[in-house]
Amino acid sequence: TQLLEQSPQFLSIQEGENLTVYCNSSSVFSSLQWYRQEPGEGPVLLVTVVTGGEVKKLKRLTFQFGDARKDSSLHITAAQTGDTGLYLCAGAKHSGGGADGLTFGKGTHLIIQP
Amino acid sequence: NAGVTQTPKFQVLKTGQSMTLQCAQDMNHEYMSWYRQDPGMGLRLIHYSVGAGITDQGEVPNGYNVSRSTTEDFPLRLLSAAPSQTSVYFCASSYFGGRTYTDTQYFGPGTRLTVL
Repeated sequence: TQLLEQSPQFLSIQEGENLTVYCNSSSVFSSLQWYRQEPGEGPVLLVTVVTGGEVKKLKRLTFQFGDARKDSSLHITAAQTGDTGLYLCAGAKHSGGGADGLTFGKGTHLIIQP
Repeated sequence: NAGVTQTPKFQVLKTGQSMTLQCAQDMNHEYMSWYRQDPGMGLRLIHYSVGAGITDQGEVPNGYNVSRSTTEDFPLRLLSAAPSQTSVYFCASSYFGGRTYTDTQYFGPGTRLTVL
């Protein structure tokens, strides 16, 4: 079983601060996804990274896939209260297909204080 | 498009009771799956389907049955509910467009199940 370790598990910071969330594994993934989940709702995809070393930006969020495709990070610049939520990473062990190839991390609970 | 819909939103069962969690999608996705989400455990795959008439087991299939008679619907059946099945259940669908990476999982809003 491929494991994805997310850190930190919980993070509470003030609005305006920067933060980084990590997703690490000893296994290689064909791609890695980041989802965000709000209370009472299902996860929603933020980004998929495919190539080792790839960097994708989504407004104030920067996602990076490690060169060896074993790890990823999510960096938020100038956090806002609307960024509060559970952030999940999910690694795909093979290309194409659906849920059978996805391994989810346990998530990072992020709280942005006003 | 309504996306992925799930019913009911909340359910309380007694130990030993059976029930079916409903899931439907209107995006014509081939792939559908069921996850459970528990505190400290993340999302764990229960069963999945790669198309009508085809289902397979995920990581935690015991105590659950599925069938896929149509592309749109993928119900999850609890045969004899146990307190260990208290969880939030999410249905998801995805489209395989021949990409080189796993496509987006579209999740429903979830069903919060309590087994007493």
